[in-house]
Amino acid sequence: EVQLVESGGGLVQPGRSLKLSCAASGFTFSNYYMAWVRQAPKKGLEWVATISTSGSRTYYPDSVKGRFTISRDNAKSSLYLQMNSLKSEDTATYYCARGLIMYTTDYPAYWGQGTLVTVSS
Amino acid sequence: IQLTQSPSLLSASVGDRVTLSCKGSQNINNYLAWYQQKLGEAPKLLIYKTNSLQTGIPSRFSGSGSGTDYTLTISSLHSEDLATYYCYQYNNGWTFGGGTKLELK
Repeated sequence: EVQLVESGGGLVQPGRSLKLSCAASGFTFSNYYMAWVRQAPKKGLEWVATISTSGSRTYYPDSVKGRFTISRDNAKSSLYLQMNSLKSEDTATYYCARGLIMYTTDYPAYWGQGTLVTVSS
Repeated sequence: IQLTQSPSLLSASVGDRVTLSCKGSQNINNYLAWYQQKLGEAPKLLIYKTNSLQTGIPSRFSGSGSGTDYTLTISSLHSEDLATYYCYQYNNGWTFGGGTKLELK
């Protein structure tokens, strides 16, 4: 069974940093693209970052480019999101998600339960 | 690519045939998926590649469309289908639509 468990969320002041983690199990982690998707309170879904199977390619929307860094450790079956220079508008539940098909970026098919990040002074 | 979903709120009764719309600002080339999100839960993939049903999803859900216009249809609404539905594309970047909230009439 595919399992994705996020951790690392919490309350952080504007301008500070936070690192999220996602522990994966139930599948061969190194075979899948992974992504982070966020959802602000009572708002819709927003794609945040995608990383290739090896970690050599990463992709971001303009809203987080230059501030967020997605990375992975295939030996530990873990995904990470380093978030710097946090803003109040980054307040959201952050989901870790796995692609549907191996070796390609496609649809986030399996999701964790999310971790809440609150950016506030 | 921007995705516009309509309506933003849809009221329907159990047993109704329900149609949700998603329109792209550019051609999506059928790389379009639909997600269901219930309150307090993570999104669930229902349909991918426009009309492929994800494993375990009931056959009352179906997708169609091409180019910039796509549709999710629920053939006969069940009470457990009450949720917010999002479309998603990855033909050019990765984008979610704003969502359609489906509620009981």
